[in-house]
Amino acid sequence: AQSVAQPEDQVNVAEGNPLTVKCTYSVSGNPYLFWYVQYPNRGLQFLLKYITGDNLVKGSYGFEAEFNKSQTSFHLKKPSALVSDSALYFCAVRSWSTDKLIFGTGTRLQVFP
Amino acid sequence: DADVTQTPRNRITKTGKRIMLECSQTKGHDRMYWYRQDPGLGLRLIYYSFDVKDINKGEISDGYSVSRQAQAKFSLSLESAIPNQTALYFCATSASGSEAFFGQGTRLTVV
Repeated sequence: AQSVAQPEDQVNVAEGNPLTVKCTYSVSGNPYLFWYVQYPNRGLQFLLKYITGDNLVKGSYGFEAEFNKSQTSFHLKKPSALVSDSALYFCAVRSWSTDKLIFGTGTRLQVFP
Repeated sequence: DADVTQTPRNRITKTGKRIMLECSQTKGHDRMYWYRQDPGLGLRLIYYSFDVKDINKGEISDGYSVSRQAQAKFSLSLESAIPNQTALYFCATSASGSEAFFGQGTRLTVV
C-alpha cells in the first residue's frame, strides 16, 4: 500500500541554524515525491518535487530535499532557518502506476529567534 | 483569480443535513481530488477523479459522495452530515505525475 510517514510532529530550531524535516515513503514502483507548506488559515503551497534525475532538488524559499532510494526517504532541508519558515510542512508521494496522491500527517516547524 | 476555487469557505450545518461543497479549477488539469484535514492526521484522501468518467474512492470515502460535472468542476457531498465530519476540506487539481494545486479550503462544522 502507498503511504508516507513523517515521524516528527514538531521540529524546533533556532533562527540561522540548519533545519531538517524528515519523510519516508512506501510505494510500488518509482515514486513522485513532493513537499508542501501550510501557513495558518491558508491552503497548501507547493515547495518542491522529485520526479527523476538528480537526487538533490531545490525549491522555493531556499528549501531543498534529498531523495534517497535505498532508505526510501525524502527529507526537507534548509541551510539557515528563518522565523518566517515557521509553518506546517507536508510530504506527499504519488505512485507512477496509480497516480494517487497521498500525504503524510505533517510536521510543525517552529523557528525561534 | 484563484486557480482552484472552493465554495463555501465556511459552513455550519446540523446533524443529518445534506451538504455540498463545490470546487472549480482553471488550470485545465484532468485530475481532481478531495481531502479532509484533521489535527494530527494530516490530509486524508476522500475521492479522486482522473476525468469526468473516472471517479475513485480514497482512504476515507464512507459517508461522502462526489460528482464530476465537468473537467473543471468536482463537488463533494455529505448525504447526512455527522459531527465527526467536522474538518477542513481541501480540493486540489493536478496534471498526471505533477504537483497538485490546492484551493483555500472549506471549514465545515457539523453541530
